Amino acid sequence: QQQVKQSPQSLIVQKGGISIINCAYENTAFDYFPWYQQFPGKGPALLIAIRPDVSEKKEGRFTISFNKSAKQFSLHIMDSQPGDSATYFCAASGSGGSNYKLTFGKGTLLTVNP
Amino acid sequence: ETGVTQTPRHLVMGMTNKKSLKCEQHLGHNAMYWYKQSAKKPLELMFVYSLEERVENNSVPSRFSPECPNSSHLFLHLHTLQPEDSALYLCASSQGLAQYEQFFGPGTRLTVL
Repeated sequence: QQQVKQSPQSLIVQKGGISIINCAYENTAFDYFPWYQQFPGKGPALLIAIRPDVSEKKEGRFTISFNKSAKQFSLHIMDSQPGDSATYFCAASGSGGSNYKLTFGKGTLLTVNP
Repeated sequence: ETGVTQTPRHLVMGMTNKKSLKCEQHLGHNAMYWYKQSAKKPLELMFVYSLEERVENNSVPSRFSPECPNSSHLFLHLHTLQPEDSALYLCASSQGLAQYEQFFGPGTRLTVL
């Protein structure tokens, strides 16, 4: 019930291409879906987040698409750059009871080749 | 110092040692967290403190003992660890508990021999 499943585990994209990472959740009480980006030797940092009242949120080259009925959400990185090479984690949480805790996916290692 | 800092950055210890990890946040946040990050596994929440009170102990073995003396500092005391405890230990803080952005430190890379 608390799992967030993330795919793919790793992804290699050419510079300028589109990177797509997918996540699925089970807990219908989740209503906050952030994506975190982690570079080697650093802690994760919030990249972008969405709430289920919208189906899409865009910030620069990064877009979250959200499908409430399918309980799925995805991160799209347009015009991928070598500097985007990092590990990306999706996460989910709710607002009530123990649901406040962030449940993370296993992460996707993105490599953008020059 | 800004953000969330952690010391030491690397730690090697034997199974019989006692050591402590330190975390300090300079953001004026009210909540602090310890996470364990292992390869190919999701981040595992270990402990949560809100206003210096422990609100979550996620079935963590007693060989890990947290301490939050004030809202800016968080410690993780380690004793009699096992090799499988080797991992990256991340500290994070947030303004509140529910759905606030969590700010992570760089982590302590722990190796248990």
